Amino acid sequence: DVKVTQSSRYLVKRTGEKVFLECVQDMDHENMFWYRQDPGLGLRLIYFSYDVKMKEKGDIPEGYSVSREKKERFSLILESASTNQTSMYLCASSLLYSGQGFFGPGTRLTVL
Amino acid sequence: LAKTTQPISMDSYEGQEVNITCSHNNIATNDYITWYQQFPSQGPRFIIQGYKTKVTNEVASLFIPADRKSSTLSLPRVSLSDTAVYYCLVGDHSSNTGKLIFGQGTTLQVKP
Repeated sequence: DVKVTQSSRYLVKRTGEKVFLECVQDMDHENMFWYRQDPGLGLRLIYFSYDVKMKEKGDIPEGYSVSREKKERFSLILESASTNQTSMYLCASSLLYSGQGFFGPGTRLTVL
Repeated sequence: LAKTTQPISMDSYEGQEVNITCSHNNIATNDYITWYQQFPSQGPRFIIQGYKTKVTNEVASLFIPADRKSSTLSLPRVSLSDTAVYYCLVGDHSSNTGKLIFGQGTTLQVKP
């Protein structure tokens, strides 16, 4: 079974803190994604990576950065957390040409 | 990426067949159609993918007419556990971007 794991299920941080969300997949997938999901707004793509050290901005990259130093690991970084970044964060991976994404369980981040 | 339009919500009863239609008028020649299912507090799960005509697996069927401007996800004999949000995605997975862009989805409520 494909497994996508995220470092935390729940996280509480303070405004201004630097936050790292980690995602690891074990299926040698080329593509990895970070989304946030908010009620009424659906799943919005923050960043996408199709190879090590390669990244593309999604629809809402402002306030976020990413790092992909190894194929299996994709990190989302909130440089200075703000309350409007309180959300559910979902990581996913897929083979390069498949369109079949596999999602992690999500991290519910609360910024106070 | 082709824009998709789905109903916001649908209601059904246990044992009924449910058909959810997605419109994608601007679908391109190389685009595939993919459907995902999402339960509360979980990441989306891939259900089915197709290019044209009909695709069936153990979970659902996908009907795509010849013009490919719409597609219909068919869930046979739904149960309460099929209550979820269903997303239709359209994308060219033969390119190296491979982005997965989600719309608002259709919230299916199955009643006893």
